Order: sequence, then C-alpha cells, then structure tokens
Amino acid sequence: EAGVTQSPTHLIKTRGQQATLRCSPISGHTSVYWYQQALGLGLQFLLWYDEGEERNRGNFPPRFSGRQFPNYSSELNVNALELEDSALYLCASSLAPGLNTEAFFGQGTRLTVV
Amino acid sequence: AQSVTQLGSHVSVSEGALVLLRCNYSSSVPPYLFWYVQYPNQGLQLLLKYTTGATLVKGINGFEAEFKKSETSFHLTKPSAHMSDAAEYFCAVTSGTYKYIFGTGTRLKVLA
Repeated sequence: EAGVTQSPTHLIKTRGQQATLRCSPISGHTSVYWYQQALGLGLQFLLWYDEGEERNRGNFPPRFSGRQFPNYSSELNVNALELEDSALYLCASSLAPGLNTEAFFGQGTRLTVV
Repeated sequence: AQSVTQLGSHVSVSEGALVLLRCNYSSSVPPYLFWYVQYPNQGLQLLLKYTTGATLVKGINGFEAEFKKSETSFHLTKPSAHMSDAAEYFCAVTSGTYKYIFGTGTRLKVLA
C-alpha cells in the first residue's frame, strides 16, 4: 500500500514568487496536515484539512494557504516567498480525526528560497 | 494550550549503552502522546504512542516509553543503543483540536 506521497521533493524559488506543494494521502485517509520544519525550529503546525474543509490553522501569515480536493489530496500554496520560508514542508495524513489517530508522514518537500 | 518540551537538543551515547530521551508535556486535557523518529532526508515514522491504559508503551526497534502523569513526562528509552538508532526524535501531543504539537526534537548520536 502506498504511503503519503509529496511532490516535488525539492523546489527552488526566488523571493517574491509563489510555490505550490502537493500531497497525496494514504488511501482511505480523510485528514491531511501540513507542517513546516525549519532549521532548529522543530515542526510548526501549518494547516489541517478534513473532508475538504480547513479545520485548523497554525500561526502563519495568510500568504500560506491550501486546499483539499475531493479525492483528499491536498495542495499548499505559499505566496510572496520570503527567504525565511526555506524549510522542509511535511505532509501527514490520518483516518477520520480522533485524538488517538496516528499520523503518517510523507518524505517532505524541501523548499529553498533564494 | 498544549505544549511539548524535549530536554536536550543533542544526545550522544555509546553503542550498547542506555538511550534516554526526555519529553515533558503540558495539557489541560488527558493527553495522547507520540514519539516519532526522523532519519536524514526522510519524513517522520511513528515509534510508539500512548492513548489510554497501560502506562508503559512498547514500540518498534526496541524502544519504549512510560507515561507518568504526576511528572507530566513521556520519556523514551532503549536498553542498548545501536548505530542504526542515530536519528532525530520528536515527541508529540495531540490537542483538543486534533492537531499534533511537536517538540523541537532531539538528535541522537551513537558512538562506536
């Protein structure tokens, strides 16, 4: 069974551009989470989608946005890129939300802003 | 609000020695706790989780963790370190809004 897949694996953008990151959850999973892992800052929660709706959002500016499609795949968009947006972006998926539901992670997309 | 504190951003142990990675949490509701491992250039893999029931939880690769409510701790241990255990380890707690809150991670180095 395929795990969580993210694309692209690496992305290089110029400051001010837009970046689009994609995530395909495990089959049957309806929840998708996005995290930013910047050097030395651990994993910062970005967004949580479930059944096509945004359920929760972390402390990030509005230029970080996303959506979840009917097939539960998800897209993260980062507008007006800044140098400090350079990080590993991790997507995770889980079954219908529950406090003891394990989240499965993808390999991440490494975004570099130059 | 929930939070997780991992003591020690870097831990070094000799091969065969005890591994102890510390995690303390703060939660206003009964927590569900997780340990994840991240190998270089990879995503996170679940090691073990505590939901309810037995407070000593066994996970993969010989790791275990004990939930101590009185100490608000969920430390990760392994009796004998192996070179392949070198990785970064993250403790996480779920909040009432279902998102996972992670600690800042502990990088484990295993010395030959």
